[in-house]
Formats: sequence, C-alpha cells, structure tokens
Amino acid sequence: DAGITQSPRHKVTETGTPVTLRCHQTENHRYMYWYRQDPGHGLRLIHYSYGVKDTDKGEVSDGYSVSRSKTEDFLLTLESATSSQTSVYFCAITTTGMNTEAFFGQGTRLTVV
Amino acid sequence: AQSVAQPEDQVNVAEGNPLTVKCTYSVSGNPYLFWYVQYPNRGLQFLLKYITGDNLVKGSYGFEAEFNKSQTSFHLKKPSALVSDSALYFCAVRGGSGNTGKLIFGQGTTLQVKP
Repeated sequence: DAGITQSPRHKVTETGTPVTLRCHQTENHRYMYWYRQDPGHGLRLIHYSYGVKDTDKGEVSDGYSVSRSKTEDFLLTLESATSSQTSVYFCAITTTGMNTEAFFGQGTRLTVV
Repeated sequence: AQSVAQPEDQVNVAEGNPLTVKCTYSVSGNPYLFWYVQYPNRGLQFLLKYITGDNLVKGSYGFEAEFNKSQTSFHLKKPSALVSDSALYFCAVRGGSGNTGKLIFGQGTTLQVKP
C-alpha cells in the first residue's frame, strides 16, 4: 500500500463547518492526489501535488483547497462543507519511471449533514 | 485535455464466458494506461498497466488488456470469467512528458458475473 494512511477514516460534520482530511505517506513519493468517489461518477480528481508547495487543480476543485508543506503530508480542506461534498475521499500517490503505478489510501467517508 | 471514457456502466457475463470491459482515452503525449478493481467497501487494487512495448499486457487474476493506439483504446479482457470477478473496474490514464501528468480515471464499470 506504499505506506499511505488517511485520517480520519470516517467523519460526520455539519453544513458550513471547515473540514480537513489528511493523507500521510512514508516513502517520499513526489506525486500525491485527492479524489472523491460518488456513484455514477467514478473517481474524480480534486487536486494534486507534484512536490512540496506545488499543487494544481483537478476536475472538481471548487470548494476545496489543499496544502503540502512537507513531502509526506497532503491536506485537503473543505472551506465550508456542503451536503454535495458528502462522498468517499481517496488519497493516492504515483511512483515515477517505467514502473509507475498508483497506490491508494483506504478512503475517508465524509458525511455533511 | 486528458480524459477517459468507460462507455458501459455495467457488463453482465455468465461464469466461464469471456469478458471485455471497454476503455477509451484522450491524452497528449504517450499514454500510461492502468486498470484498477474495487471490491465493495474496499480501496482500489492495481490490475495491470501499459507503459510501452507489447500491446497485450497481462495482469493479476488472469486479466489482460490490449492497447490500441489507432483506436485510443485499452480494453480489459479475461478468457473465462469467475463469479469472484464481480466488482467495479476503473480505467485510468496518465499523460504528459516524462510521466509527469496527472492521473485521470474513468467513471467505472460494474462487472456482474452470474453463475
């Protein structure tokens, strides 16, 4: 699993509150991603990072921000949670080179009530 | 822009029959293509990938996929389906020079294998 851990694994929060999800990796991979998974939509990219303090938007970035102040941690923040952000969130890393592959965290189930 | 399409929401096949799950892609540069499987309430598991070389790649659990550059496709196949293959399958593509592009997934295809 490339040493990826997500926290928390489950969270229920109220509309309008800020929420931060954490992705931690132990193997110094450069590329990290946040996805959300919703029925009928598959995995959609929210934000990704290609190095410390280097991030870029994905397909569904509105309402989300990210930070990567050190290699091992990639934080996803919902500035003001809405019910439409109820989803399962997955963090991933990709390795580089010819053996490139993606590894995923176990996911965070977020419910906004 | 990078994109992946899985045209079938669901594929139904009888156990023992061959299966195909379709994927087409759009990317600049040489594509890096992947298939992942997700079982209920689980994370994603890697099945196989195409980077370069032989167009037919073999992966885990007897799955294989064929890269077709002219049709920009990367269909997943298995000669004989098992009930235990029933799961959600995702195709993904990574493009860009030097394999530095972002990783984009299709919307997923549910495979249902019936006894």
